[in-house]
Amino acid sequence: AQTVTQSQPEMSVQEAETVTLSCTYDTSENNYYLFWYKQPPSRQMILVIRQEAYKQQNATENRFSVNFQKAAKSFSLKISDSQLGDTAMYFCAYRRGSQGNLIFGKGTKLSVKP
Amino acid sequence: DAGITQSPRYKITETGRQVTLMCHQTWSHSYMFWYRQDLGHGLRLIYYSAAADITDKGEVPDGYVVSRSKTENFPLTLESATRSQTSVYFCASTPYLVDSPLHFGNGTRLTVT
Repeated sequence: AQTVTQSQPEMSVQEAETVTLSCTYDTSENNYYLFWYKQPPSRQMILVIRQEAYKQQNATENRFSVNFQKAAKSFSLKISDSQLGDTAMYFCAYRRGSQGNLIFGKGTKLSVKP
Repeated sequence: DAGITQSPRYKITETGRQVTLMCHQTWSHSYMFWYRQDLGHGLRLIYYSAAADITDKGEVPDGYVVSRSKTENFPLTLESATRSQTSVYFCASTPYLVDSPLHFGNGTRLTVT
């Protein structure tokens, strides 16, 4: 069965600095998709970034980028120039290519300090 | 406005009562999902649906019932609520299987006393 592991339950970073959140996953599939979701205190689930496994190029969305290491089954999220509004729970998620549902990690609580 | 809405936003019920959580989406997405979020567990899939009248169990289906008579609605029923079902429940939808993300509702916080 596929699993997603986020090994850092909590992290903190100073405003304007860079932070990296770790995520590893276990799968025997070759075709899959990976996502990072952000959940601020409002409880809303917000898509941050996504990566297709067949693409070697790492995805980037403004201050957010990923380091996708397919052989190592690693999918870390880098947040540059951290802002107070980045304070949230961050969930890594995996989707098999033939299925619609996401499998989530347990989340990392990120606090950005002024 | 188009989107996915859940109701109620908060619900308190007693052990043994039946309660239904509602989910409505206006995009006509084929796929819909119910997740529960608990501290230390992340989000876990309860049930999902690939289309109207097609539903299937997820990771934690016991104690829950779903139906999908119309594409836009996907209610979740707790037939006899237990304290272990105290949780935050999220409904989500997606149009495709390929790379489209899940779009989530704002969640329902359910407390079973």
